[in-house]
Amino acid sequence: EVQLVDSGGGLVQPGGSLRLSCAASGFTLSSYEMSWVRQAPGKGLEWVSYISTSGATLRHADSVRGRLTISRDNARNSLYLEMHSLRVDDTALYYCARRHNAYFDYWGQGTLVTVAS
Amino acid sequence: EVVLTQSPATLSLSPGERATLSCRASQSVGSSLAWYQQKPGQAPSLLMYDASNRAAGIPARFSAFGSGTDFTLTISGLEPEDFAVYYCQQYYNWPITFGRGTRLEIK
Repeated sequence: EVQLVDSGGGLVQPGGSLRLSCAASGFTLSSYEMSWVRQAPGKGLEWVSYISTSGATLRHADSVRGRLTISRDNARNSLYLEMHSLRVDDTALYYCARRHNAYFDYWGQGTLVTVAS
Repeated sequence: EVVLTQSPATLSLSPGERATLSCRASQSVGSSLAWYQQKPGQAPSLLMYDASNRAAGIPARFSAFGSGTDFTLTISGLEPEDFAVYYCQQYYNWPITFGRGTRLEIK
């Protein structure tokens, strides 16, 4: 059974840092491109970051470029999102999602990041 | 950036009725469009991909069509579990973008 388990969220002050993790099981992570998608409280979905199977190609939304960085460790079956210089408007539930032929076929349960003083 | 406009924002219907949801793209996305369903407190789940293909395990009452800039998701014979928020998403161009969603509520 395919499973994605998101973790690492929490309360952080503006300007702070956090590292999110996504543990993958039930499939071979190295065969799939992955992304992070976020959802602010009561709002819609916003794509954040993309990483190719090998990790050689990264893409980030303009709103997070230079502050949030996606990475992966295929040997550990894990996806990461390094978050720096966090802002209040980064507050959201962050989901990792598996890309299959460019759409997202499996999603994690999400991990909540709250940026507040 | 491709802007996806979903309408209506809220749709109020009764179980057994037919729901028609629209997604319009600001420029052509070919058939590179997916639909997701999100229930309260849950992650989104894939419903349809490539504009008209049902994902694994999705009942036949869900159907979708469209190409280019105009897309439609139809749910025939609404079941109680279908009342949720529906998002369209394009994967034709970077950045990937989502519509703002249509909330399907019980009338």
